[in-house]
Amino acid sequence: AQSVAQPEDQVNVAEGNPLTVKCTYSVSGNPYLFWYVQYPNRGLQFLLKYITGDNLVKGSYGFEAEFNKSQTSFHLKKPSALVSDSALYFCAVRDPYSGGGADGLTFGKGTHLIIQP
Amino acid sequence: DADVTQTPRNRITKTGKRIMLECSQTKGHDRMYWYRQDPGLGLRLIYYSFDVKDINKGEISDGYSVSRQAQAKFSLSLESAIPNQTALYFCATSVSANTGELFFGEGSRLTVL
Repeated sequence: AQSVAQPEDQVNVAEGNPLTVKCTYSVSGNPYLFWYVQYPNRGLQFLLKYITGDNLVKGSYGFEAEFNKSQTSFHLKKPSALVSDSALYFCAVRDPYSGGGADGLTFGKGTHLIIQP
Repeated sequence: DADVTQTPRNRITKTGKRIMLECSQTKGHDRMYWYRQDPGLGLRLIYYSFDVKDINKGEISDGYSVSRQAQAKFSLSLESAIPNQTALYFCATSVSANTGELFFGEGSRLTVL
């Protein structure tokens, strides 16, 4: 079965500093990995995904994520945080070899990112 | 207009009542999903549909049913609502099973008293 863990419930970063939101995963084969952001009272918005190829993936709003197979991680990063980045962030995984299992993504529990002015 | 539209956005009901949450999409995607979000638990898959004739249970389907009326419409029903079904419900669509990302509606907040 596929699973994903976000070890931090909340991450606090000062505006202008780099930020990292952590994600680790467990799948039986090579994973498809995704990051989403949720602003208050809104649906989830897609940020970026890793399917194959370059381990460093760039996405929306200046975010990027690095796929690390040996550490089974897919941490979300941004070089310089903005107050407007404050939101709830979800990591998600899909095992392309899961066969008859659920076709939807498996989500982590989410990490609240708070950027302090 | 939003690509994935959910109605109602907010609903308060009583235990034992039947509730239907509706989802419509203009993205032309075949695959549609219903997720439930609870604080601290992330999103959990309730049901998903590959096309009008293909509906599948997800991780937490007990107490829920769905109907895929057309490619663009996917409804979630609670036949007899109970308080622990109080949650934020999301509909999502996808163009591809594996590599495609999900596109979410704005959510339907359901409170069962």
